[in-house]
Amino acid sequence: SQTIHQWPATLVQPVGSPLSLECTVEGTSNPNLYWYRQAAGRGLQLLFYSVGIGQISSEVPQNLSASRPQDRQFILSSKKLLLSDSGFYLCAWSGPSGGANEQFFGPGTRLTVL
Amino acid sequence: KNEVEQSPQNLTAQEGEFITINCSYSVGISALHWLQQHPGGGIVSLFMLSSGKKKHGRLIATINIQEKHSSLHITASHPRDSAVYICAVVTGNQFYFGTGTSLTVIP
Repeated sequence: SQTIHQWPATLVQPVGSPLSLECTVEGTSNPNLYWYRQAAGRGLQLLFYSVGIGQISSEVPQNLSASRPQDRQFILSSKKLLLSDSGFYLCAWSGPSGGANEQFFGPGTRLTVL
Repeated sequence: KNEVEQSPQNLTAQEGEFITINCSYSVGISALHWLQQHPGGGIVSLFMLSSGKKKHGRLIATINIQEKHSSLHITASHPRDSAVYICAVVTGNQFYFGTGTSLTVIP
């Protein structure tokens, strides 16, 4: 069966510090991978999606970047965090038809930038 | 104006009641998703629809493509159904999310 892991579960970082959140998927090959953010009191926002290794599409210009060094690994990064980067970050995967497939979400990382 | 509008924003029901959550969208879509987010933050995909109706246990989701509207129904609601329900639509590579409906079911 397929599983999706995210870590860390919670993170408190000072403004200006770097960020690295990791997401890995098991039990499937060539998944589409997604990073979402949910800011406090707001809806989900798609940040990045990837259809394959090294292929990243950005939906929203921002202070963040994403990378996919391996088929089932998706990393969200920042060189210098802003206060506005605080939120709940979710990784998800789906089959290769993208949004027309069911999405499976990881447990999320709650990031607080102070 | 948001591409996806959900109503109501908040809903309180007595256990056993029939519940309907509505989603209207303004863009052409290839798929619509209903998601459930529990208080801890975890999200579970309930349905993915491109037409018609789907049923899973006590949950039913319908979509009317011509009217650009979808509904999520919960029959015989239970306190464990308390969660935020999120509608999301997909057009091309774009995802648009509603802000969610917070449901509380009282025993």
